Amino acid sequence: SQQGEEDPQALSIQEGENATMNCSYKTSINNLQWYRQNSGRGLVHLILIRSNEREKHSGRLRVTLDTSKKSSSLLITASRAADTASYFCAASGGSGNTPLVFGKGTRLSVIA
Amino acid sequence: GAVVSQHPSRVICKSGTSVKIECRSLDFQATTMFWYRQFPKQSLMLMATSNEGSKATYEQGVEKDKFLINHASLTLSTLTVTSAHPEDSSFYICSAPRTSGYQETQYFGPGTRLLVL
Repeated sequence: SQQGEEDPQALSIQEGENATMNCSYKTSINNLQWYRQNSGRGLVHLILIRSNEREKHSGRLRVTLDTSKKSSSLLITASRAADTASYFCAASGGSGNTPLVFGKGTRLSVIA
Repeated sequence: GAVVSQHPSRVICKSGTSVKIECRSLDFQATTMFWYRQFPKQSLMLMATSNEGSKATYEQGVEKDKFLINHASLTLSTLTVTSAHPEDSSFYICSAPRTSGYQETQYFGPGTRLLVL
């Protein structure tokens, strides 16, 4: 069953604005990951945050994790048209030999 | 870094034919690989877990006789869609986990787009 739920399902912003996407999950996790997918293409791993971490940064990306609320957020600052893509959170419940459970995704459109 | 490849990247076939998709870990061994399916504008859904040397484990609702999985070696898993029908048209993605020290990472293949006419 699908574990992650993304919010919003679709987001349209102007270039330069910040984009915030939220994800909720249902069970305990070992880590939570965010991926990007351009239309019709494969997944690009963006960032991984472990269950004992609360915040992580990578370039223009900022991820937070609240295990008490079973939620995570992905913030993209100073968005660019090239950021237009679908973004998925994926929860990992255990070791690398367990599959990721993906959220429904957020379709982000950044308008130049 | 670790790379997972898939072949073919795109396939178009007639209804009723079988299609084989390969997933290879190129520079590491993977005793486990995962197969996902993604319909248009939807998320990835886990289909099955491929285990080297043993039977695959299928998720609920996935027909094991229709989606045959063979994990014949530590670097290759194949997914065969038997008697494909238009509703099987989808994007199929595999992943392979790799542990390096304390770091556990899933590496995803680029996906295979299947169109059944």
